[in-house]
Amino acid sequence: DAKTTQPTSMDCAEGRAANLPCNHSTISGNEYVYWYRQIHSQGPQYIIHGLKNNETNEMASLIITEDRKSSTLILPHATLRDTAVYYCIVYGGGFKTIFGAGTRLFVKA
Amino acid sequence: NAGVTQTPKFQVLKTGQSMTLQCAQDMNHNSMYWYRQDPGMGLRLIYYSASEGTTDKGEVPNGYNVSRLNKREFSLRLESAAPSQTSVYFCASIRDMAETQYFGPGTRLLVL
Repeated sequence: DAKTTQPTSMDCAEGRAANLPCNHSTISGNEYVYWYRQIHSQGPQYIIHGLKNNETNEMASLIITEDRKSSTLILPHATLRDTAVYYCIVYGGGFKTIFGAGTRLFVKA
Repeated sequence: NAGVTQTPKFQVLKTGQSMTLQCAQDMNHNSMYWYRQDPGMGLRLIYYSASEGTTDKGEVPNGYNVSRLNKREFSLRLESAAPSQTSVYFCASIRDMAETQYFGPGTRLLVL
């Protein structure tokens, strides 16, 4: 019962921006959008999160639509080390968190 | 701070054997989680503990039991292992609802 929908995989050229979309049409008012990534078989790592405003940190930017039903994670200058599985999840209204399958991003030289 | 630690790192079991996966966090977090990840798949929630003394089922709880021993520790037990439980198991913790989850390095389990 994943609350989010993401493309299965995406490609990106090294040095270009990677834009990863996520649909979360059933998001509740008190739920945040979180992005994590998993490199190889390591534990997932936090990237960024937001409630309704766009957010930026040293790793990425998060653009959330005004109706909050979708969002886009932007890696401004993708490198080979950004090849990973990216998970978009929504939570905050409770403690149960559902990750889904994520998007496999391949950054190519 | 060690963050979230998991033991063991690797384990091979025979069908029907039992074992307990251990998880501990030193961040004073309130909530803890167990996930499994099958090859090429995403994470699936097995059980979670919103606070010390409470546990709840996730997406795939069958075949597992959990114990929130204290605020730091959350263990996952397989009473009678099956080949379908071959997976990588991740533990995570979170300070409070709507906050960042911190993951352990995982336990790789093979059931023959």
